[in-house]
Amino acid sequence: DTAVSQTPKYLVTQMGNDKSIKCEQNLGHDTMYWYKQDSKKFLKIMFSYNNKELIINETVPNRFSPKSPDKAHLNLHINSLELGDSAVYFCASSQGTSANTGELFFGEGSRLTVL
Amino acid sequence: GENVEQHPSTLSVQEGDSAVIKCTYSDSASNYFPWYKQELGKRPQLIIDIRSNVGEKKDQRIAVTLNKTAKHFSLHITETQPEDSAVYFCAASTRGGNQFYFGTGTSLTVIP
Repeated sequence: DTAVSQTPKYLVTQMGNDKSIKCEQNLGHDTMYWYKQDSKKFLKIMFSYNNKELIINETVPNRFSPKSPDKAHLNLHINSLELGDSAVYFCASSQGTSANTGELFFGEGSRLTVL
Repeated sequence: GENVEQHPSTLSVQEGDSAVIKCTYSDSASNYFPWYKQELGKRPQLIIDIRSNVGEKKDQRIAVTLNKTAKHFSLHITETQPEDSAVYFCAASTRGGNQFYFGTGTSLTVIP
């Protein structure tokens, strides 16, 4: 069973289009994330949700809108796609407490190519 | 927010030699420091982690050291093998696990 799964794995689209990437985790974790990995391999946090509530929004354009219908799902919708949005987007989850931080589990990634 | 710096960005070693990757962090509240290995086209996966209440941790050929005073931590890989070739990321996280900040990655190549 895949712990963190995201779809689609590959996405090729034209500039100006709107697209969504879905993520689900079956680990029972409270916190989910979206990371963007660009061509230089930098892993940059975009959003963090804890129990469906937004915790972190790291200077991401408002064309990116995350939605968490429940704590097992965190979807990413992107409006008006631009060339610079081309990257691999990783969903991740973790279970932390006030005393200890838990391991971060990544999905397989969704490679977005904007033409 | 937290700022994690990682060096070197690329590293080539001969098979059997050791490899060392170093990271520094800025937020003294960070208390959990994982290391992730990412093979080409794959997801990052945890290889070892260390918490702020210990100074060193070892797991077979890999070890991590932490200096809280200086705010730096390092990954050591001994007896490197070709399958160790990958991109390695350090990260820092604050208590509660809601924030993970990654270094810029080190591309390690082990030459047979």
